[in-house]
Amino acid sequence: GENVGLHLPTLSVQEGDNSIINCAYSNSASDYFIWYKQESGKGPQFIIDIRSNMDKRQGQRVTVLLNKTVKHLSLQIAATQPGDSAVYFCAELYGSGNTGKLIFGQGTTLQVKP
Amino acid sequence: KAGVTQTPRYLIKTRGQQVTLSCSPISGHRSVSWYQQTPGQGLQFLFEYFSETQRNKGNFPGRFSGRQFSNSRSEMNVSTLELGDSALYLCASSFTGTDTEAFFGQGTRLTVV
Repeated sequence: GENVGLHLPTLSVQEGDNSIINCAYSNSASDYFIWYKQESGKGPQFIIDIRSNMDKRQGQRVTVLLNKTVKHLSLQIAATQPGDSAVYFCAELYGSGNTGKLIFGQGTTLQVKP
Repeated sequence: KAGVTQTPRYLIKTRGQQVTLSCSPISGHRSVSWYQQTPGQGLQFLFEYFSETQRNKGNFPGRFSGRQFSNSRSEMNVSTLELGDSALYLCASSFTGTDTEAFFGQGTRLTVV
């Protein structure tokens, strides 16, 4: 399953399928990006990060892709599991004067169907 | 090692009161940022502290303030509470506040009645 183009608030996928969550970031000068997962009643949980000098970074079952030309970030989750159900946020950080200030996207709710 | 700890987890306050929230960062982290999360506005940056100094500030009124202690623990204070201040308040800690991993606490759920 994938949400493409404009931000879609909800993505529904079948268990075992791959998920792709997309995010358009706002500032071309952003140099650091993070994906977070937030479950109900909890704070955002760090998933993976990528710096602007990279195009791709892989973690355990997750891959982040960065396309600076179109200011686009994506999170790929392989073999999606019910425990992956949550809201996913992309966040960007830019500028030496913007320390500690992450700018968050609207979030995508991932629903995994058993 | 212990994660980011926020206390209390839940608070109910009356309009006009003031409130203080606490955040203990991950050991070794010197940057602490605060965020407000609401269904309508999402996650909004409040301010960031590093080595007891406020380095960055978001677009919130002066009723929102904070401070950081020498052990990097941070507090935020909201005075003259309004109904619209009801939100989940999150803090995040990192080593530098720039291009390093930022980890969040569980948040404090503030309800203003």
